[in-house]
Amino acid sequence: DQQVKQNSPSLSVQEGRISILNCDYTNSMFDYFLWYKKYPAEGPTFLISISSIKDKNEDGRFTVFLNKSAKHLSLHIVPSQPGDSAVYFCAASGSKGGATNKLIFGTGTLLAVQP
Amino acid sequence: DVKVTQSSRYLVKRTGEKVFLECVQDMDHENMFWYRQDPGLGLRLIYFSYDVKMKEKGDIPEGYSVSREKKERFSLILESASTNQTSMYLCASSLHLLGSPQHFGDGTRLSIL
Repeated sequence: DQQVKQNSPSLSVQEGRISILNCDYTNSMFDYFLWYKKYPAEGPTFLISISSIKDKNEDGRFTVFLNKSAKHLSLHIVPSQPGDSAVYFCAASGSKGGATNKLIFGTGTLLAVQP
Repeated sequence: DVKVTQSSRYLVKRTGEKVFLECVQDMDHENMFWYRQDPGLGLRLIYFSYDVKMKEKGDIPEGYSVSREKKERFSLILESASTNQTSMYLCASSLHLLGSPQHFGDGTRLSIL
């Protein structure tokens, strides 16, 4: 049972435009969410996180939005740059322990930013 | 900057061999993790450790064991390598078990022939 889902395996965007990557989760006990970027032959790099007490967090060109009622989060990249081309993973965990005491990753979305 | 170093980028071993993957972090983190990444499956947790000599099974521990003798070092052991363990292995560390980001090494691409 996939608790964190990234339904788009790939996304292609023009340089300078907005990239929107989506992620859905099923476990209502999740309260901490992260986005990672991964280049080929490298480990994932932490990008940005958000806790469930907020609905938005910004860091430069990257903004994460959290919609708790819809169990949905998204990562916006504005403006997109060719160097943003990578696989993006969303991840979720809970702080109450038990079944949610691990970071659960989605399957990733490959973003291609065209010059 | 957090530095997580995995001892090998690429490794080729034979079926039945005992394989050791080593990971070292330099940030004095309590928590360390081993994942494998396979196409279409994302990252799956094999084992994690929240203190020296302490370990917990992740989602796919079968065929693996771990060792944490020192705080900075976390080893993954394939007791008897099989071809279905061919994968990208990723080590990570974090300050807190929950609520703080995990920082990853560059991975070991392991091929079992």
